[in-house]
Amino acid sequence: KAGVTQTPRYLIKTRGQQVTLSCSPISGHRSVSWYQQTPGQGLQFLFEYFSETQRNKGNFPGRFSGRQFSNSRSEMNVSTLELGDSALYLCASSLARSGGADTQYFGPGTRLTVL
Amino acid sequence: LAKTTQPISMDSYEGQEVNITCSHNNIATNDYITWYQQFPSQGPRFIIQGYKTKVTNEVASLFIPADRKSSTLSLPRVSLSDTAVYYCLGNSMNYGGSQGNLIFGKGTKLSVKP
Repeated sequence: KAGVTQTPRYLIKTRGQQVTLSCSPISGHRSVSWYQQTPGQGLQFLFEYFSETQRNKGNFPGRFSGRQFSNSRSEMNVSTLELGDSALYLCASSLARSGGADTQYFGPGTRLTVL
Repeated sequence: LAKTTQPISMDSYEGQEVNITCSHNNIATNDYITWYQQFPSQGPRFIIQGYKTKVTNEVASLFIPADRKSSTLSLPRVSLSDTAVYYCLGNSMNYGGSQGNLIFGKGTKLSVKP
């Protein structure tokens, strides 16, 4: 079974621009979560989508948004980019089954550099 | 979700067994313990998950004592390619409520030397 895929893998933008990152979950997985990883703050949760609805949101400004499509694929958007948005953006998918721990599987990430 | 504490770093040599202990004093009844491995500039890779006692798979073992306030990841006969950051975290059983918010700590940076 194919793993989580993310596109693009690398991206360079300038301050003030906006960016859209894409994530395709493992086939059959219904939940998609997004994380930001920086050297200073580590791995931080952005938001989670399930059945096209945002179920959970981390402590990030409104410039960070996302959506999920009916095929469970997800996109996240960052508007008005700032230098501090430079990070590795990770997507994770899970079955979101009831009962038992719901294991998240991560993609390779998108490396965003803001100049 | 449980707050976890791990050593910041560990050193080992090839062929040795490595045990990384994680403390999670406030673990909830419905929390599982999950370990991830991460190489630089890659996404975390799921290693193993357990609720209590011992779990073993093809790459590692996980020991969780009866009080569940700590857990130990055991990597048998490590090689240079096991050099990575290892994260211990708790995640709740999904009863249909909000999920996805995994809380990653700083992790343990394992360095394996020849």
